[in-house]
Amino acid sequence: DQQVKQNSPSLSVQEGRISILNCDYTNSMFDYFLWYKKYPAEGPTFLISISSIKDKNEDGRFTVFLNKSAKHLSLHIVPSQPGDSAVYFCAASAGGNKLVFGAGTILRVKS
Amino acid sequence: EPEVTQTPSHQVTQMGQEVILRCVPISNHLYFYWYRQILGQKVEFLVSFYNNEISEKSEIFDDQFSVERPDGSNFTLKIRSTKLEDSAMYFCASSQADEQYFGPGTRLTVT
Repeated sequence: DQQVKQNSPSLSVQEGRISILNCDYTNSMFDYFLWYKKYPAEGPTFLISISSIKDKNEDGRFTVFLNKSAKHLSLHIVPSQPGDSAVYFCAASAGGNKLVFGAGTILRVKS
Repeated sequence: EPEVTQTPSHQVTQMGQEVILRCVPISNHLYFYWYRQILGQKVEFLVSFYNNEISEKSEIFDDQFSVERPDGSNFTLKIRSTKLEDSAMYFCASSQADEQYFGPGTRLTVT
């Protein structure tokens, strides 16, 4: 199932700088997109979401951008902190039911 | 802050045995889900449950799987006759709207 793709397996960023995590999707029926953060041996933690009627949603240090024409979304974290080091999953839903997840991107924030 | 809880955290069982994984969703949520993540693979949807019935299920969710909400708080996943390939992390999630909140997971090991 390749409907949601996170093409970068890992990303390394210096503390204080911006982290940009990317996600592409193929299913044009997706109308809601979410980002989750996951630490080892824990469940995914909801971070931020965006509806397909918007192109940007901001919550503190986290901003999600949606480009529907390109079927692309990104998560910006600024400034990045060492505690942000985790696996980040992009997920999408069509009609508010099951989530389809990407493979995840490992973010390492170096102090 | 309310959270989804799951028990047990780790379950070891022999092939062919029945297992029941338990979840307590967030109390005012109406939609319940099970997902699983096989080691090294994506988080994948198993089943969604609303108003005391299954609303959607994946191809993985065959006759060996069942879900139940036996009382007002618990939500269970039963695997009747476990196979080696059922070994995975199983995550319960609940939602009130579009954002799904996940539990910490149960690691199921089938030997």
